[in-house]
Amino acid sequence: EAGVVQSPRYKIIEKKQPVAFWCNPISGHNTLYWYLQNLGQGPELLIRYENEEAVDDSQLPKDRFSAERLKGVDSTLKIQPAELGDSAVYLCASSLGAASSEQYFGPGTRLTVT
Amino acid sequence: DQQVKQNSPSLSVQEGRISILNCDYTNSMFDYFLWYKKYPAEGPTFLISISSIKDKNEDGRFTVFLNKSAKHLSLHIVPSQPGDSAVYFCAAKMYSSASKIIFGSGTRLSIRP
Repeated sequence: EAGVVQSPRYKIIEKKQPVAFWCNPISGHNTLYWYLQNLGQGPELLIRYENEEAVDDSQLPKDRFSAERLKGVDSTLKIQPAELGDSAVYLCASSLGAASSEQYFGPGTRLTVT
Repeated sequence: DQQVKQNSPSLSVQEGRISILNCDYTNSMFDYFLWYKKYPAEGPTFLISISSIKDKNEDGRFTVFLNKSAKHLSLHIVPSQPGDSAVYFCAAKMYSSASKIIFGSGTRLSIRP
């Protein structure tokens, strides 16, 4: 069974440019998460989807970040415009349901903003 | 405000000996605790968990101990093997709800020959 797929794996952009990350969760997983991981820190939740509905986006900086999960499967996280402080690893995870404690993580996208 | 704390950023243990990774939490509402393991360039993978109704959970070489009164948990790996070299994240949540998992900052474990 395929795990959580993310692309691209690495991205280097200049500040003020837009960037987008894509995630394909494990088949059948209704809940999808986007996490931000800064260097030397643990993952921090940005947004959680239940099917196509964003049910927890309290930590998403909505002035520059946006996300969507059309059709309740794949998801895209966008930053526009990117700032130097956005350099981090962006992790996608999925689980069978919100109450399921076992989340399966993708390999992440390492973003470098110069 | 860090609700889950891993105060040791790194730990080096000789192969075959016991590795003990520690974690403290501040939120008394947490009742479910997890450990994740992360290799470089990969996402975290679930390792072991424990509910607050237990004080110990064992899975092969991995045992997690929970001390609710001290708000402390630890992960024991015995015997330690080279493949155990990774970053270990402690995490916590309120099991009964769809609350988010709160991660600690991680401990990098190195197993030396």
